[in-house]
Amino acid sequence: GEDVEQSLFLSVREGDSSVINCTYTDSSSTYLYWYKQEPGAGLQLLTYIFSNMDMKQDQRLTVLLNKKDKHLSLRIADTQTGDSAIYFCAERAGTYKYIFGTGTRLKVLA
Amino acid sequence: DSGVTQTPKHLITATGQRVTLRCSPRSGDLSVYWYQQSLDQGLQFLIQYYNGEERAKGNILERFSAQQFPDLHSELNLSSLELGDSALYFCASSEGRGYSGNTIYFGEGSWLTVV
Repeated sequence: GEDVEQSLFLSVREGDSSVINCTYTDSSSTYLYWYKQEPGAGLQLLTYIFSNMDMKQDQRLTVLLNKKDKHLSLRIADTQTGDSAIYFCAERAGTYKYIFGTGTRLKVLA
Repeated sequence: DSGVTQTPKHLITATGQRVTLRCSPRSGDLSVYWYQQSLDQGLQFLIQYYNGEERAKGNILERFSAQQFPDLHSELNLSSLELGDSALYFCASSEGRGYSGNTIYFGEGSWLTVV
């Protein structure tokens, strides 16, 4: 079946790197996404990666894709308190189909 | 600002009632998606429309229905409301043509509380 899995919680200290992991099941997924949801707000697109790429870097964000293992990760360098939020991994598993993970709640400790 | 507009932002209603949530997609987007986010269920896909037609259905209850109008705005109708329907309802939109780089953008959500 189609499923996107993430760990529920992650806690890091301010200034450290955070790594949020995600596994997906649909090998035909063309795009994989990371969204950020701050308290009381909608999901904000952070970045996405095309399935033929291994890595994408955007300022403090690095996305790694291991297509063989269907594993996606988001690394946030120099994590700040403002990065505290829920991070959702999502796959585009068809032309119109997007499947979201359960979200990882990141808590940054000062 | 994603460009997706949802109204109302907050709504409190009694059990058994019916409510309508409204969504205006980003300019030019043809696809509209509805999601439900609750504490215990995470983000659940409800239904998707493309250019006025239903395209995909997820875990949408029979008490819920949606439609997309010719001007591309969409409404989600929730009837015979139960306490468990209390959740944050998101609308999202995408270009929907399936071209490369197609990304889904979310509105701020409508908070529904059923009392």
